[in-house]
This record gives sequence, structure tokens and C-alpha cells, in this order.
Amino acid sequence: KAGVTQTPRYLIKTRGQQVTLSCSPISGHRSVSWYQQTPGQGLQFLFEYFSETQRNKGNFPGRFSGRQFSNSRSEMNVSTLELGDSALYLCASSPRTGGKQYFGPGTRLTVT
Amino acid sequence: AQSVTQLDSQVPVFEEAPVELRCNYSSSVSVYLFWYVQYPNQGLQLLLKYLSGSTLVKGINGFEAEFNKSQTSFHLRKPSVHISDTAEYFCAVSEAETSGSRLTFGEGTQLTVNP
Repeated sequence: KAGVTQTPRYLIKTRGQQVTLSCSPISGHRSVSWYQQTPGQGLQFLFEYFSETQRNKGNFPGRFSGRQFSNSRSEMNVSTLELGDSALYLCASSPRTGGKQYFGPGTRLTVT
Repeated sequence: AQSVTQLDSQVPVFEEAPVELRCNYSSSVSVYLFWYVQYPNQGLQLLLKYLSGSTLVKGINGFEAEFNKSQTSFHLRKPSVHISDTAEYFCAVSEAETSGSRLTFGEGTQLTVNP
């Protein structure tokens, strides 16, 4: 089986812009979670989607949003980018909520 | 809410020496415990997990961890490390019943294996 794929792998955006990141889970996996990794804050949970419904949400401002499609692919969107949004964004998929998670390679976002 | 503390930010060790990476957690409910490894420019890979049962958990690449409920610890060990074990290691917890896939991570321990 193919692993979790994330596109794009690298992205440079300007402050104030918006960005959309994509995650394709392992075939058959219905849960997708997103994490932000920064040197200062470490790994922080953003949200989890299961069967197209947001099941859980971390402590991030409303500028961070996501969705999941019927094929389980997920996107996350960050609007009005700030310099502090520069991070590695990791996606993880699981067959079910609470199951073993498989992480993708991440999308490295740089905001200038 | 739960929290995770990894007691060492950096651990240098010589090849073939034993290593222990320490992790303490705090939670008011039952938790599941995990160790992940991250190699440069890659995502996270699960090394091992504790859900229930035996407190000694064996994982991939020769790693093992012991769950100690009274000390709220979940330390990771390997009896003999290789150069290829150089990476960042993360301890994580999730609430057993309610948090779904939500993981709370520690700040990470950079393991550097020197020849």
C-alpha cells in the first residue's frame, strides 16, 4: 500500500496570503489528523476528521480550518498567514479514530 | 488535559552503548502511550505503543519501553545503539477513551550516536 502523501512538500507564501495543504491518506483509512511542528512549540494537534466530520480540534485560531472529502482525502487551509505560521505541517491517517496513526512526510511552509 | 515531559533535550552516546530516553506524563484519566522517531526531513514513525497489558513493550529496531503507572513514566531503552539510530524521538500520549486520534507530544529528545 502507498503511504500517506502530502502536497506540496515545500511552500513559500507571503504574510497575509492564504494557503491550502493537501493530504491523501492510506487507502481504506477514514481518519485524518493534522499537526503543526515548530522549533518553539513542538508538535501540536490541529484537528482530526473522520468520515468527513471534524471530530476533534486543537487550540488554534479560526484562521486554521480543514475539511475531508468522501474519498477521505483532507485539506487544511490557513488564511491571513502570519510569520509564526511557518512550520512543518504533518498529516496522519488511521483506519479508525483512535487507531494507529501513519504519518506523511509533511509540508514545510515558510511565510515571509 | 494531559501533558508530556521529556527530561532530556539532547542525548549523545557512543555506538554500541546502551541508551535510555526518559518520558514522564501527566493525566487525570487512563492514557495510551507512544514513542515516535523522526529522521531529518521526514515524518514520524511509530516505534512502539502501550495500550494495556504487559508493562514492558517491545518495538521496532530493538527498542523497548516500560510503562510505570506509579511514577507516570514511559522510558525508552535500547541495549546497543547504532549510528543509524541518530534521530529525534518523541513521546506522546492520548486519552484512552475520549480523545480519538489526538496525540499530545513531548518536546522531543535528539539522540546522537557517535562512532
